[in-house]
Amino acid sequence: DGGITQSPKYLFRKEGQNVTLSCEQNLNHDAMYWYRQDPGQGLRLIYYSQIVNDFQKGDIAEGYSVSREKKESFPLTVTSAQKNPTAFYLCASSITGTGNSPLHFGNGTRLTVT
Amino acid sequence: AQTVTQSQPEMSVQEAETVTLSCTYDTSESDYYLFWYKQPPSRQMILVIRQEAYKQQNATENRFSVNFQKAAKSFSLKISDSQLGDAAMYFCAYRSFNTDKLIFGTGTRLQVFP
Repeated sequence: DGGITQSPKYLFRKEGQNVTLSCEQNLNHDAMYWYRQDPGQGLRLIYYSQIVNDFQKGDIAEGYSVSREKKESFPLTVTSAQKNPTAFYLCASSITGTGNSPLHFGNGTRLTVT
Repeated sequence: AQTVTQSQPEMSVQEAETVTLSCTYDTSESDYYLFWYKQPPSRQMILVIRQEAYKQQNATENRFSVNFQKAAKSFSLKISDSQLGDAAMYFCAYRSFNTDKLIFGTGTRLQVFP
């Protein structure tokens, strides 16, 4: 079955460490996205990529980095510069250039930094 | 920049009754797309319904329908014959015609009582 896989489901890190969240899709979608979800704030866009080897900052990119070396993969690194990294992170993908094409989401990763 | 507002943090409905969730948005564009997503306790984001701004007819998907008022920039979701499984967070989202970014509101938590 086609879909988006995020791993791990839960991730714990010490403050000051970088951590990478995995996102893989086999839907053959060109566009991929990372959102952060905090209570009462909905989903906020961190980074998105419309094509391999290209990506754009979203609304809250500071303290995060991404790469898009393969169409199927869009890993997100939460760096030590991110002041409040504890959150629920959602990865999504969609067909590029079709505005009414919905986003397909993974199951998310809950990151806890102490 | 476009914004999406969901003014009802929480709503409740009795099983088999009808409930309407509100969403307003701010944009200067004439072409765009609107979506409602559902996030149950599993936290998996599920597309409920979508609407193209150029279509005057309101979208319908089984028990879910929208009331799209373009001039008022309003996009409410009506759930008929509510079921216990409808209990979830509901997010309204906006997408410009010429971009792949999806902008979300802060969500409405819907409780369904037997």
